[in-house]
Amino acid sequence: DIQMTQSPSSVSASVGDRVTITCRASQGISSWLAWYQQKPGKAPKLLIYAASSLQSGVPSRFSGSGSGTDFTLTISSLQPEDFATYYCQQANTKFTFGPGTKVDIK
Amino acid sequence: EVQLVESGGGLVQPGGSLRLSCAASGFTFSSYEMNWVRQAPGKGLEWVSYISSSGSTIYYADSVKGRFTISRDNAKNSLYLQMNSLRAEDTAVYYCARAGGAVADNFDYWGQGTLVTVSS
Repeated sequence: DIQMTQSPSSVSASVGDRVTITCRASQGISSWLAWYQQKPGKAPKLLIYAASSLQSGVPSRFSGSGSGTDFTLTISSLQPEDFATYYCQQANTKFTFGPGTKVDIK
Repeated sequence: EVQLVESGGGLVQPGGSLRLSCAASGFTFSSYEMNWVRQAPGKGLEWVSYISSSGSTIYYADSVKGRFTISRDNAKNSLYLQMNSLRAEDTAVYYCARAGGAVADNFDYWGQGTLVTVSS
């Protein structure tokens, strides 16, 4: 099974900050990686698919990069509505989510 | 507008059974692969099961294989999850999620979830 790790597990940041979250797969997954945002009590929302493609309707301050085993999600200028938990997910072999990264207010 | 509405959750004793349903609307259900994803209280997301658009291909997470059965009725625009031999560790919010992407590699629409609690 493919295992996913994320770092950091949590990050405190201010509005306007640039935030980068890293996701690592236990083996190569090409570009079969997606990123989701989840707010408390809500369903996850797809942000990025195929490692770097922005889902329709998602603000351009979100971007993704990487291939193989190492991936990043970047929020270029953090907005108040971006405080949430972010998950990566691989789709190379079945599906596995990372443990999540909580972005909270500094 | 794409809508996925889960139902069927509730409190069940260990060893019991429950059947979840997901009603789909706003898209051609029969053309899309579907999944169940769960989230234990305060924990992360865990993929549970996948079913192809026709129902001919099915996958399960190891944690539920042999106990859970995914199915669909394209005539009724509905997805199901039959859960047997339930354990305390199956307690979670269960989401149905539409598979998106050229090769169904992501989950582009989610329902609001239904809570399953396994406890005596």
